[in-house]
Amino acid sequence: DAKTTQPPSMDCAEGRAANLPCNHSTISGNEYVYWYRQIHSQGPQYIIHGLKNNETNEMASLIITEDRKSSTLILPHATLRDTAVYYCIVPISGSARQLTFGSGTQLTVLP
Amino acid sequence: GAVVSQHPSWVICKSGTSVKIECRSLDFQATTMFWYRQFPKQSLMLMATSNEGSKATYEQGVEKDKFLINHASLTLSTLTVTSAHPEDSSFYICSARTGGHTDTQYFGPGTRLTVL
Repeated sequence: DAKTTQPPSMDCAEGRAANLPCNHSTISGNEYVYWYRQIHSQGPQYIIHGLKNNETNEMASLIITEDRKSSTLILPHATLRDTAVYYCIVPISGSARQLTFGSGTQLTVLP
Repeated sequence: GAVVSQHPSWVICKSGTSVKIECRSLDFQATTMFWYRQFPKQSLMLMATSNEGSKATYEQGVEKDKFLINHASLTLSTLTVTSAHPEDSSFYICSARTGGHTDTQYFGPGTRLTVL
């Protein structure tokens, strides 16, 4: 997988937007960026993915820079239930999309 | 999103016994499923890639004779931990790949295995 770098932890006030950054400077032209999160003692939950255009769904927005070397996951109105470890992953295309989980970012939403 | 289930959600067994964990894709067919293991305060580690109708591909360091994987249908993969020992105690998680245009992996809720 293209190497990704995320801050180990972040705090966010409840009701405010949470912006989680990810660097993936070695990403190649046809590799997607995927975001998952894992709440304690549960399986990872898919959030969103994108190639080069910004994406939005009911959970979050994904902003990918024009050079594709970094991206930001935005949770527009964070709630206490959004407290989790967030993983930014770039799977290698053609490898059955195996996902390599790094350390992720521990997001803590504060009341 | 697509739903993946696992059964059982937790299991306690005696050392030396075998344990089977099931992973099902409930609303889609998955030609590829994956098995992960997660130890406390660590990230997920890929154990093996399971392809329907063929032998699983194991990651380096994972014993294929100890962790038997069967992917007999497009909606079911099983992981059997044979002759389990306390060091096999872990959180086992499966995922299923949708393929197609929106190729995405969806994860099961995980199975907590405790070997006494």
